[in-house]
Amino acid sequence: QLQLQESGSGLVKPSQTLSLTCAVSGDSISSDGHSWSWIRQPPGKGLEWIGYLYPSGRSYYNPSLKSRVSISGDRSKNQFTLHLTSVTAADAAVYYCARSFSDYRDIMGVWGRGITVIVSS
Amino acid sequence: DIQMTQSPSSLSASVGDRVTMSCQASHDISRYLNWYQQKPGKAPKVLIYDASKLETGVPSRFSGSGSGTHFNFTISSLQPEDIATYYCQQYDSIPLTFGQGTRLEIK
Repeated sequence: QLQLQESGSGLVKPSQTLSLTCAVSGDSISSDGHSWSWIRQPPGKGLEWIGYLYPSGRSYYNPSLKSRVSISGDRSKNQFTLHLTSVTAADAAVYYCARSFSDYRDIMGVWGRGITVIVSS
Repeated sequence: DIQMTQSPSSLSASVGDRVTMSCQASHDISRYLNWYQQKPGKAPKVLIYDASKLETGVPSRFSGSGSGTHFNFTISSLQPEDIATYYCQQYDSIPLTFGQGTRLEIK
């Protein structure tokens, strides 16, 4: 059974870098056909797609965050990581990782439970 | 970016009611439209994909319709466990975008 588990720094100081990891079990991030996404949700607000990683290692990002975001994968650990630089209070949110349906259809079929990130000095 | 606009922003209905909410895209997205249910404190869950296809294991009281720029999501007979916020999401083009959500409450 596919499971995704987010982990990382739940408290980040303004201007620093947020780093989160999504550990995957039950599938390989290298398996063809699926993208691996990061999505966030500020408190009381809606969902924002941050970007995703393809099995090839190529990443695609939301232009609204493109200058600050990177997503990379570690095949040996079967996990993928989000880095978001120069964080501000606006980056405080619950961060989810998710896997798409097969054939690279961008339908988020499996989600992690989410991790809350607070931005505060 | 393709903007997704949901209406209404909140909805109150009684158990057993038929409930319909809408999602409008700023550009033609064909049928690349998904509906998610999110309960408080939980991750979203996909219910409908490709505008009208029911995800495996999802009750048949949930349905979707539409194509192009206008889409509907319907619950044929509202159950207490359906209380949640519902989001539409387009995947016609990057960036993937979500509607702002429709919050469904029991009257």
